[in-house]
Amino acid sequence: GAVVSQHPSWVICKSGTSVKIECRSLDFQATTMFWYRQFPKQSLMLMATSNEGSKATYEQGVEKDKFLINHASLTLSTLTVTSAHPEDSSFYICSAGLAGRYEQYFGPGTRLTVT
Amino acid sequence: KNQVEQSPQSLIILEGKNCTLQCNYTVSPFSNLRWYKQDTGRGPVSLTIMTFSENTKSNGRYTATLDADTKQSSLHITASQLSDSASYICVVNPNNAGNMLTFGGGTRLMVKP
Repeated sequence: GAVVSQHPSWVICKSGTSVKIECRSLDFQATTMFWYRQFPKQSLMLMATSNEGSKATYEQGVEKDKFLINHASLTLSTLTVTSAHPEDSSFYICSAGLAGRYEQYFGPGTRLTVT
Repeated sequence: KNQVEQSPQSLIILEGKNCTLQCNYTVSPFSNLRWYKQDTGRGPVSLTIMTFSENTKSNGRYTATLDADTKQSSLHITASQLSDSASYICVVNPNNAGNMLTFGGGTRLMVKP
């Protein structure tokens, strides 16, 4: 149990376009979802935390207007990278958590390349 | 300064050998400490989770230890296999932080035949 999926697994887009990444909890309802970014040979960096039905909380230095997060249901959160630039190229990973439980279940990640 | 420091940053060992990865943390108090394995291009997968009161936790060939007095944890891998080649990340869940996690920088392990 506790499977988290991401779609797409990889995407290539042109500079200036927007890209949407989906994160789904397949067999449980996630009260909280987290979005991370990971650059090569570095650890995960938390971008934002979102709770179903409320606005996401962004970490310092993360532009909320550039990285739009929607947590529309207990099983789905989306991250939209707006007006993508080459420096946004990274590995984006989501995770899902349950209220009252400290475990986070990570998705397989999405590789974004902006050309 | 990162609150979770891992060493070494990278490690190369021969297949079949054992190795130990280190994690020093300053996060205190904390709810639990975890070790994750992350294959290249994949999301992290949980190996062990220890609460602050636990000293050791095993998962197959992986054994994690925790010394709350010295604020150190280690991950011991026994009889390494080629598939153990990955990054191993030490993660601390601070008290009263809900699901929030503090990540170490990871140790990149390469197992060679």
